[in-house]
Amino acid sequence: EVQLVESGGGLVQPGGSLRLSCAASGFSFGRFWMHWVRQVPGKGLMWISRTNTDGRTTTYADSVRGRFIISRDNAKNTLYLQMNSLRVEDTAVYYCVRDWLAMNDAFDVWGQGTMVTVSS
Amino acid sequence: DIQMTQSPSSLSASVGDRVIITCRAGQNIDISLHWYQQKPGKAPKLLIYGASALQSGVPSRFSGSGSGTDFTLTISTLQPEDFATYFCLQTYSLPRTFGQGTTLDIK
Repeated sequence: EVQLVESGGGLVQPGGSLRLSCAASGFSFGRFWMHWVRQVPGKGLMWISRTNTDGRTTTYADSVRGRFIISRDNAKNTLYLQMNSLRVEDTAVYYCVRDWLAMNDAFDVWGQGTMVTVSS
Repeated sequence: DIQMTQSPSSLSASVGDRVIITCRAGQNIDISLHWYQQKPGKAPKLLIYGASALQSGVPSRFSGSGSGTDFTLTISTLQPEDFATYFCLQTYSLPRTFGQGTTLDIK
């Protein structure tokens, strides 16, 4: 079964750091571009970041550039999001998603999400 | 950034109804438009990719059309399990952007 499982969310104070992980299984992880997307509960979806297959090419939304770092370990089939200098407005559910190039880059597989709460 | 404008933002309908949701892109995005269904507490689920291709396992009552800037998601005969929130996503350029969502509830 193709699956993405996020972990690492939790409560953190403003200015703090958190690292999210996303464990992939059931597919050749190293062959896919991967993304992080977040959603404030009850609100819309926002794209955060993307990495290519070897992790050398990364892109970020303006709101997180310079604070968040996306990375991957293909040997461990795991995607990461290092979040630094966290702000209250970063509070959201964070999803890792798979990019299927052959489907016009549709996000075809999503994890269940991990909640990040930034609050004092 | 490409703005994606979805309408309506909410919609009340009955089982058996035909429903149409639209998504308009702020510029040409060819067919790089995808539709998702999300239920409370769950991750989005891909329904339609490339504007009109039905994702494997998705019922044929869902269909998509459009290209360029104007797109539609049609549910031909609403079923009880279709009451959810629907989003569009453009993957034509970075940053990827989503529509604000359409909440479909029971009339």
